[in-house]
Formats: sequence, structure tokens, C-alpha cells
Amino acid sequence: DTAVSQTPKYLVTQMGNDKSIKCEQNLGHDTMYWYKQDSKKFLKIMFSYNNKELIINETVPNRFSPKSPDKAHLNLHINSLELGDSAVYFCASSHRGGYTFGSGTRLTVV
Amino acid sequence: AQSVTQPDIHITVSEGASLELRCNYSYGATPYLFWYVQSPGQGLQLLLKYFSGDTLVQGIKGFEAEFKRSQSSFNLRKPSVHWSDAAEYFCAATNFGNEKLTFGTGTRLTIIP
Repeated sequence: DTAVSQTPKYLVTQMGNDKSIKCEQNLGHDTMYWYKQDSKKFLKIMFSYNNKELIINETVPNRFSPKSPDKAHLNLHINSLELGDSAVYFCASSHRGGYTFGSGTRLTVV
Repeated sequence: AQSVTQPDIHITVSEGASLELRCNYSYGATPYLFWYVQSPGQGLQLLLKYFSGDTLVQGIKGFEAEFKRSQSSFNLRKPSVHWSDAAEYFCAATNFGNEKLTFGTGTRLTIIP
């Protein structure tokens, strides 16, 4: 009965590879987000989708492409992975000020 | 620009002592305010939130926070900390529901016996 679920939980990959992280919420929320937490624990928004439409794109490199097939899913695809992409990526959803976060995906690029 | 500031990077408190974590915000209008806790290797758990009304907000795990408009602050408090409270604490704000959350840089709390 997990509210916001992300897969995988851990992802180790080599530089230059392409990878995807999946996110699903069963809360019926209209808005979903991707946040990045860097090695210094700083949390910064990357993207926001409302009912499958892109609302926020915070100057994220083009190598990052979110996709929302329906309002319950927001996936993140990353092309040509770089060492600096290593971080924890959190998916979240919200409704009327109530935000729920997934447990995070720890991406390590080697 | 909208921002959230947590002045203390790291705080060490003795078990059983009181705790106050500081948070200041810079927004055009009073934002919605939140405190989250993140234990090592874990996700974000909501402790409490303030939208409007009573400026003293009660949360889970014995935490409370007080909104002070005159100081643009939303400080988190706990009267007596437990070793299990050791974690990273984040203050966050948003203009209104379904807008992006802007996070502070976090305060790492260490508890000593």
C-alpha cells in the first residue's frame, strides 16, 4: 500500500550509459515531482508535472527527460550518464499542500 | 528570489535536552511551511506543516514549530530529545499547494549520551 513508490532503490552504472527511474503514486494526486539530493544533502527540484503536463523544468540538462504516461506515473530517463549525476533522486506527489515523497533512488555513476 | 535558510549546518545536543532548529524564509507572501526529517539512507518524513491559523503547530514524534511572521521564521522545537532523533532536518516552503517545495540546506542533528 506504498503511496509513492520508486524503482529501483539503488542503481549503479557506468558513465555514458542510459538509465531510467520509475515512479508511481496511488494517492490520486494531480501533481508529481522529481527532486535531486546531492552529496551535501541539498534538495533541489528538477521537474514538476500536473496531470501529465510539464509545469516546472528547473534548468536541468537535456540529458534528463521526464515522461508522464498518466497522472499516476512520472518516470525519469537519463542519457549519457556523467559522474556528476551521482545523487539520490526523490519522486514526490502533492495535492492541496500535502506532499508525499518516495523513498529515493540512489544513483551511482562509476 | 524565494529562499529558505537554515543557519545551522550541524547541531549536537545531549539526550534529554531541549532542541531548537532554526528556519527563516524569504517569500513575497507568507508561504506554506514544512519540516521534514531524513534518517540516514532513508526518505523524507513530514514532521509538521503550517498553512494558516494557530502559529504554534504540533507534529509527530513530539515536535512542534512556531511561525513568527515578524521574523520570517518557522523554528522547530522539541522539549526533550531522544537518541532516535539523530537525523537530518529540512525546512521547506511553497507559495501554495501543488507548487514546488523549496528546501533549506538542512541541519544535521547529533545526539550525545
